[in-house]
Amino acid sequence: AQSVTQPDIHITVSEGASLELRCNYSYGATPYLFWYVQSPGQGLQLLLKYFSGDTLVQGIKGFEAEFKRSQSSFNLRKPSVHWSDAAEYFCAVGEVGFQKLVFGTGTRLLVSP
Amino acid sequence: ETGVTQTPRHLVMGMTNKKSLKCEQHLGHNAMYWYKQSAKKPLELMFVYNFKEQTENNSVPSRFSPECPNSSHLFLHLHTLQPEDSALYLCASSQPGQSSYEQYFGPGTRLTVT
Repeated sequence: AQSVTQPDIHITVSEGASLELRCNYSYGATPYLFWYVQSPGQGLQLLLKYFSGDTLVQGIKGFEAEFKRSQSSFNLRKPSVHWSDAAEYFCAVGEVGFQKLVFGTGTRLLVSP
Repeated sequence: ETGVTQTPRHLVMGMTNKKSLKCEQHLGHNAMYWYKQSAKKPLELMFVYNFKEQTENNSVPSRFSPECPNSSHLFLHLHTLQPEDSALYLCASSQPGQSSYEQYFGPGTRLTVT
C-alpha cells in the first residue's frame, strides 16, 4: 500500500527566509502528488499538484515543489516566507486509477518575526 | 454560499445521542467524501460517493452512517459513538476522473464525544 512520510512535525522559519518542507512517498509506480495547506479552523486547500511532465511544478501563493523519482520525494519550497504562511501543510499521494488520496501526518509551519 | 460548507462547526454529544453532520457543495461536483482528522494521525478517508452512489467505505464502523441524497449534499449520521471518535470531520468534493484528486474541502465539524 502507498504511504506518505513527512519527517518534520514542526518547522520554524523567520519571515523572509526560504522554506523547504519534506515529503517522501512509497508507491510502486509514478504517483499523483499533492500539497495541501490547512489554516487554523479551515479545511484543506490545494497548493499544487503533479501528474506528469515537468518535475518542477508551480502552485498558488508562490509555492513550488519538485518531484524526484530517484529519491521518492516531492518537497515543497518557497523562496521567501510571509507571516500568513503559518499553517499546517500536508503532502498526499493519489493512487492512479483509484479515487483515493493518502495523506502524510502534516508539518506545522511557524513563522517568526 | 460558495465552495463547500459544513454544519455544525462544533458538536458535543454524549455516547447515547444521535446527531447528524451536514455538508453542502456549491461547485457542481459529482463526487463527495468524508474524512476523519485526528490529532497526530494522517487524514483518514471514510466514505466516497460518486453521482449519489457510495463507491468506497473504508472499513468504517456502523455507528457512522452516511447519506447522499443528491450530488450537492452529504450527511454523516452518528449514533452511539465512542470517545475515540472525537475528531475533526472534513467533507470534500471533486469531479470524478483525474480531477477527483483535486478535492475541495469544507472547514470541518469539530466533534467531541463525552
